Amino acid sequence: AQKVTQAQTEISVVEKEDVTLDCVYETRDTTYYLFWYKQPPSGELVFLIRRNSFDEQNEISGRYSWNFQKSTSSFNFTITASQVVDSAVYFCALKAGANSKLTFGKGITLSVRP
Amino acid sequence: DTAVSQTPKYLVTQMGNDKSIKCEQNLGHDTMYWYKQDSKKFLKIMFSYNNKELIINETVPNRFSPKSPDKAHLNLHINSLELGDSAVYFCASSRDRLYNEQFFGPGTRLTVL
Repeated sequence: AQKVTQAQTEISVVEKEDVTLDCVYETRDTTYYLFWYKQPPSGELVFLIRRNSFDEQNEISGRYSWNFQKSTSSFNFTITASQVVDSAVYFCALKAGANSKLTFGKGITLSVRP
Repeated sequence: DTAVSQTPKYLVTQMGNDKSIKCEQNLGHDTMYWYKQDSKKFLKIMFSYNNKELIINETVPNRFSPKSPDKAHLNLHINSLELGDSAVYFCASSRDRLYNEQFFGPGTRLTVL
């Protein structure tokens, strides 16, 4: 069985603050992939990143960074210097096992106030 | 140049009706999916097809029937619509059934009155 927990449900920050979105996953598979998706108010789902279980290097893309720690089964997402356009629901997801389904967390609603 | 497209974007209908949602991807992907997103934003997979073959069939009422005429298309037909079917339905595709990221369509907001 696989599970993704996003314990934070709603986060509100003021523009330019840094914010970290937490994601904890559970799986017994040794091969798995983790994903983050963004769903802005317009409703579409936008792929942000994919990370495999064998690569624990952190990833940085502009103001976005991801911290993958197998020891704590976490794949956290940090937005630096947040902007109003970052306001969205962010989903963490897990695929463990080649023929398994993609399991999503419940999502975190991020509101960035001007 | 839309990668994954769905029609219609909005669908409002009466209880008991039958409706279809169409999905097409032009990415050359082998695998396609249908997801349901409820009012609390929870995303759950319904079906997945790989090269026109059904590979994932979650616990979904048999009023829902997917059809994949070719690997670029995956349609969803819903019979005898119920109030609880109101949701946003997303189509998605991925290069294959393994670990590649999925790309989502814009969603179809279904409202059953």
